[in-house]
Amino acid sequence: QKEVEQDPGPLSVPEGAIVSLNCTYSNSAFQYFMWYRQYSRKGPELLMYTYSSGNKEDGRFTAQVDKSSKYISLFIRDSQPSDSATYLCAMRRDKFYFGSGTKLNVKP
Amino acid sequence: DAGVIQSPRHEVTEMGQEVTLRCKPISGHNSLFWYRQTMMRGLELLIYFNNNVPIDDSGMPEDRFSAKMPNASFSTLKIQPSEPRDSAVYFCASTGIQSYEQYFGPGTRLTVT
Repeated sequence: QKEVEQDPGPLSVPEGAIVSLNCTYSNSAFQYFMWYRQYSRKGPELLMYTYSSGNKEDGRFTAQVDKSSKYISLFIRDSQPSDSATYLCAMRRDKFYFGSGTKLNVKP
Repeated sequence: DAGVIQSPRHEVTEMGQEVTLRCKPISGHNSLFWYRQTMMRGLELLIYFNNNVPIDDSGMPEDRFSAKMPNASFSTLKIQPSEPRDSAVYFCASTGIQSYEQYFGPGTRLTVT
């Protein structure tokens, strides 16, 4: 079993929709929870991070961590075509553990 | 800062040839990671270094792969001999040892024919 599980999608939504991306994990020792965004033919870039449990908001993006359920989420409000990318969740203990990525397509 | 620098950006080589990928981490970062990304397997960690010392190379697929970090500003990933199944995008990333902020380079797209 992989330490981090993520639905690969693809996920296709109309512009303006609310998007929910999710990951589950198995190791309760994880403290840092990150979301990376990767555009086609580019390297992943850090979008948001959360330390321990709780919510964090940054503009149209909200990251949520539920350590009791070992479940993290990224919500995108008012999605835009420019949000079309692959989103990878990640966690750090000693090294970084990445999900497989969810490919998102926001249609104009 | 220029960010993480990788070279070459693209490499096409024939099976059996030696391939060397290069990485310059962000100045001041003391952890360096090498990843491989494919459609089938996603992003895989190959090896990582703390303060130039290899800490975990359990992701290195075979003895054909080797990595070095002779100093804080340079690392190489070598494949010898290369095989078609090594075709992938190879990313280098750097961060502080206890930091969550991992910065990726643009990647090297390797094609082995």
